[in-house]
Amino acid sequence: SYVLTQPPSVSVAPGKTATITCGGNNIGSEAVHWYQQKPGQAPVLVIHYDSDRPSGIPERFSGSNSGNTATLTISGVEAGDEADFYCQVWDSSSDHPVFGGGTRLTVL
Amino acid sequence: QVQLQESGPGLVKPSETLSLTCTVSGGSISGYYWSWIRQSPGKGLEWIGDIFYIGSTNYNPSLKSRATISLDTSKNQFSLNLTSVTAADTAVYFCARRVAGLYFFDYWGQGALVTVSS
Repeated sequence: SYVLTQPPSVSVAPGKTATITCGGNNIGSEAVHWYQQKPGQAPVLVIHYDSDRPSGIPERFSGSNSGNTATLTISGVEAGDEADFYCQVWDSSSDHPVFGGGTRLTVL
Repeated sequence: QVQLQESGPGLVKPSETLSLTCTVSGGSISGYYWSWIRQSPGKGLEWIGDIFYIGSTNYNPSLKSRATISLDTSKNQFSLNLTSVTAADTAVYFCARRVAGLYFFDYWGQGALVTVSS
C-alpha cells in the first residue's frame, strides 16, 4: 500500500509563510489533495489535484507536487489557519484513498 | 448546499455491531460515491469503504471483511455496519462524498463519536 509521510508539526509566526510537505514514492506522478481539519470539526478540502483551490478557499492556500514531495503553502498565515492538515492520494493498485498522518500547524 | 449528517448509537459493547447512518440533504445520491472514514482519538484519517449510487461497494482490506455499506436511495441515506467491534474501533466516524471520476472528498459530515466499551 502507498505510504504518505508528513511532518507531525509545523510552527509559523503570523503573517509568515507555512510550508507543509507530503512525501511519497514518486508522488509527483500522483494527484494530491489537501484537507484542513480544525479541532472538533470535519476535514475541509483546501487543495485538489495538486494545486487547484475549491471555491471559497483563500488564495493564500496553494499547492505544488514534484518528484517525491508534494507541498501545501499557506502565505500570510493567520491565527485562524491553526489546524491539522492531511494530504491524500488515490492508490490505484488497491483502488482506495490513502491519507498522510497529518501535520499540526501552530501559529506562534 | 449539500449536507451530510451521521446518526447512530454513541456507545457500542465489545463484540457487537456498530451501525451508523448518513443522511444526505440538499442534493441527490445519484452520480456519486459515498464513503465512511474514521478517526481514532488523536490519530489520522482511515478510509473504511464506499458505495457507488448504483450499489457497488469497495472496502479497506485492513478491516478484514467486518464492514458492510448499504444504500437507501428512497431516503437519501447510506449506512455502515461494522461487526465484532473492539476498543480499537472507538473513533469519530465521518461520512463523505466523492464525485465519480474525481478522487477527493468534497463534502463531509460533522462526524459521530462511537465509543466501544462494556
